[in-house]
Amino acid sequence: DVKVTQSSRYLVKRTGEKVFLECVQDMDHENMFWYRQDPGLGLRLIYFSYDVKMKEKGDIPEGYSVSREKKERFSLILESASTNQTSMYLCASTTWSSGATDTQYFGPGTRLTVL
Amino acid sequence: SQQGEEDPQALSIQEGENATMNCSYKTSINNLQWYRQNSGRGLVHLILIRSNEREKHSGRLRVTLDTSKKSSSLLITASRAADTASYFCATAGNQFYFGTGTSLTVIP
Repeated sequence: DVKVTQSSRYLVKRTGEKVFLECVQDMDHENMFWYRQDPGLGLRLIYFSYDVKMKEKGDIPEGYSVSREKKERFSLILESASTNQTSMYLCASTTWSSGATDTQYFGPGTRLTVL
Repeated sequence: SQQGEEDPQALSIQEGENATMNCSYKTSINNLQWYRQNSGRGLVHLILIRSNEREKHSGRLRVTLDTSKKSSSLLITASRAADTASYFCATAGNQFYFGTGTSLTVIP
């Protein structure tokens, strides 16, 4: 079974702090994604990566950056946390199938609260 | 930008009844997937239907896909209280796009 793990289930930070959210997958997937989920807005794509050291902006990249130094690890960084970044953050990974993305495997999520 | 939209946003039924949720999308897709999410937990993949398929079954789940109407439906038969969760559709092509979800409550 694919396993996607996230470093924390719950996190509380203060405004202005630098926040690191870590995601690790154990199935040698090329593609990794970071989403945030807010009530009434569904999942919104923040950043994604199709290969090591590669990253692309999703729908809402402002205020975030990412790092993919190793294939299995994709980190989301909040350079200076703000209260509007309080949310559930979900990491996912996939592998290519017939030239397109296939089933996504999700981590359990990190609920981040910024005070 | 959201591509998938689920309908209804919330659904409440009695145990044993069937639950039907619909999903509409805007662009061409390679496949469409349905996910389930229990309150405060991560997403769980339920079923995938490819663009050249029209119907797929998995246990008590039945998914249909109409690419001409750009819509899909998820039917859960003989619902149970444990089916209470939010259900999302996601369209897959060059990227994934998720809908806002349908909140299903099954009353024992």
